[in-house]
Amino acid sequence: RKEVEQDPGPFNVPEGATVAFNCTYSNSASQSFFWYRQDCRKEPKLLMSVYSSGNEDGRFTAQLNRASQYISLLIRDSKLSDSATYLCVVNMVAFGNEKLTFGTGTRLTIIP
Amino acid sequence: EAGVTQFPSHSVIEKGQTVTLRCDPISGHDNLYWYRRVMGKEIKFLLHFVKESKQDESGMPNNRFLAERTGGTYSTLKVQPAELEDSGVYFCASSHTFTEAFFGQGTRLTVV
Repeated sequence: RKEVEQDPGPFNVPEGATVAFNCTYSNSASQSFFWYRQDCRKEPKLLMSVYSSGNEDGRFTAQLNRASQYISLLIRDSKLSDSATYLCVVNMVAFGNEKLTFGTGTRLTIIP
Repeated sequence: EAGVTQFPSHSVIEKGQTVTLRCDPISGHDNLYWYRRVMGKEIKFLLHFVKESKQDESGMPNNRFLAERTGGTYSTLKVQPAELEDSGVYFCASSHTFTEAFFGQGTRLTVV
């Protein structure tokens, strides 16, 4: 089983729709959780951190369920500019060391 | 504040040659990571420095790869001798402990 699992997609969604991604992680000792966005041929950039209480940033909502070990990202009123690959990133702790582990990424295309 | 910088941005070398990639992290970030994205695959962890110490190098593919971080500042990743399967984009990232990582723009390595 992969340490961080995501549905690779692709998700092709009409503009204005709501889209949700899920991600599961295997290490229950994981400390921090993030969603990154990666545009074609660019480096990953932080979209938002994910907190147990859930957090919202404009059209984006992220949630963490520690009991079930999954993270979600919801995008409302999707825009063409939301087209990108969304990476689930978990900061795992093993033997006292931390390591950022990436999911495969979910490719999203917003269709006009 | 300067972000994470990587050099070169592109490198094309012949099989059997040596290439050295450089990463300058954000000043004050103790954590420095190297990742690699091979075409069509997910971003994979290579290794993690905390200051000048290699905390985890479990992702290094083989002994043709050598990473150093002199004095806990910049880091180099040397591939010697390069093979065709080493082609990909090499990303460097830095962070404080248990916080989000900031990525460099990556080095696109092509081995021909």
